[in-house]
Amino acid sequence: AQSVTQLDSQVPVFEEAPVELRCNYSSSVSVYLFWYVQYPNQGLQLLLKYLSGSTLVKGINGFEAEFNKSQTSFHLRKPSVHISDTAEYFCAVRDTGNQFYFGTGTSLTVIP
Amino acid sequence: NAGVMQNPRHLVRRRGQEARLRCSPMKGHSHVYWYRQLPEEGLKFMVYLQKENIIDESGMPKERFSAEFPKEGPSILRIQQVVRGDSAAYFCASSPLETYGYTFGSGTRLTVV
Repeated sequence: AQSVTQLDSQVPVFEEAPVELRCNYSSSVSVYLFWYVQYPNQGLQLLLKYLSGSTLVKGINGFEAEFNKSQTSFHLRKPSVHISDTAEYFCAVRDTGNQFYFGTGTSLTVIP
Repeated sequence: NAGVMQNPRHLVRRRGQEARLRCSPMKGHSHVYWYRQLPEEGLKFMVYLQKENIIDESGMPKERFSAEFPKEGPSILRIQQVVRGDSAAYFCASSPLETYGYTFGSGTRLTVV
C-alpha cells in the first residue's frame, strides 16, 4: 500500500504571496499523482493530475505541481494566492490499482 | 451533466439506528468508490464497486457496514447500529471504465448522537 505525507497541516500565507504545499509519497513504482481542493462543507474538486509526460503540471485556479521521481515528491505551488484559495488541499496517489491513497491534508489560510 | 450526487447532505442518527447513504454516479460512470473522512484526517478508502459487484472492500469495517451498487438505482452505503465513532463525512466518487481520476460528490455528513 502507498502512503502519502503532507508535511504541513496548516499553512498561513498573506494574500498575493507565493505558496508551496508539500507532498511526498512512499513508492517509486509507477504512480499517478493528484491534488484535490476541498472548500468548507463541500466535496473534493480535482486541481491537477500527473499521469505521464512533462513533470510540470498546470491545473485550475493558477496552481501547478512538479513531479520529482527521485525525491518521490509532488509539491503544489501558486505564485500569488487569493483569499478565495483558502481551503483544504489533499495530495493523492494512485498506483496500478483503482484505489487512491490520500494525505491528511493541508489547510491553507490566506490572510488579507 | 450532473455530477456525482450524494444524499442526504447531512444525516443525524441516534446510537443504534441505521444510516443509509446514497450515491448516484455521473452519467456514464460505472465505477463507484466510497471514502470516509474522519475529523482531522484524510480520506480513507472503504469500498470499490461496479454494477452488482463489490470489487474491493478492503477498507470496510468487518461488522455493521455494507455497500451495494445495484443494476438500477444509486449505490448505497449502509451502516447498521451506528455508534458515535461512525460520525464522519462519507464521500462517494465515480469514474468511467478507464480513467485515472475520480469525480467526487459533496459528501454526506453523518452525526451520531
